[in-house]
Amino acid sequence: SQQGEEDPQALSIQEGENATMNCSYKTSINNLQWYRQNSGRGLVHLILIRSNEREKHSGRLRVTLDTSKKSSSLLITASRAADTASYFCATDLSNDYKLSFGAGTTVTVRA
Amino acid sequence: GAVVSQHPSRVICKSGTSVKIECRSLDFQATTMFWYRQFPKQSLMLMATSNEGSKATYEQGVEKDKFLINHASLTLSTLTVTSAHPEDSSFYICSAREGGRTGELFFGEGSRLTVL
Repeated sequence: SQQGEEDPQALSIQEGENATMNCSYKTSINNLQWYRQNSGRGLVHLILIRSNEREKHSGRLRVTLDTSKKSSSLLITASRAADTASYFCATDLSNDYKLSFGAGTTVTVRA
Repeated sequence: GAVVSQHPSRVICKSGTSVKIECRSLDFQATTMFWYRQFPKQSLMLMATSNEGSKATYEQGVEKDKFLINHASLTLSTLTVTSAHPEDSSFYICSAREGGRTGELFFGEGSRLTVL
């Protein structure tokens, strides 16, 4: 079942700006992952953050996790047109790789 | 990185026919594969977990007789939509868990099914 909710549903920014999206979930998790999906394509894994971690970086991506608030955020810095995609958070409750996905945030980066 | 191939990428069929979708791990052995369904502009919903050599485990609300899953080898899982109807039209995506030390998860490109 879908556990995560993402906010905002859609985001439109100018190239070079930062994009921030949030994910909230309901139950305790083992880890939380962020994925990108280009229109009509499969998912690309971006970053995984474990329940005992608070922040992770990967290139222009920064992910935070607050287990007390059951929320995570994904920040994309210095956005590019190629970052235009839908972004999903997914929670893994027991490290069994059965992911429960959020509703996604559609990001449009204007050139 | 590892590659998961799905075939066909698009399929159009008539109502009442059955459609098979393949999910292959091309350069690694996948002990577990997962099948998801995605409606337009919506999230992915897990349908079932497929383990090599054993019966698939279906999520609540997913009809196992409707969505037949076979995981005959460590590199191939198939999803067959039986007696397809227009409401089965959707984007189906598989993911495969690498069976080695890393146990990473890789997603296929998805298969778009349209039932007329």
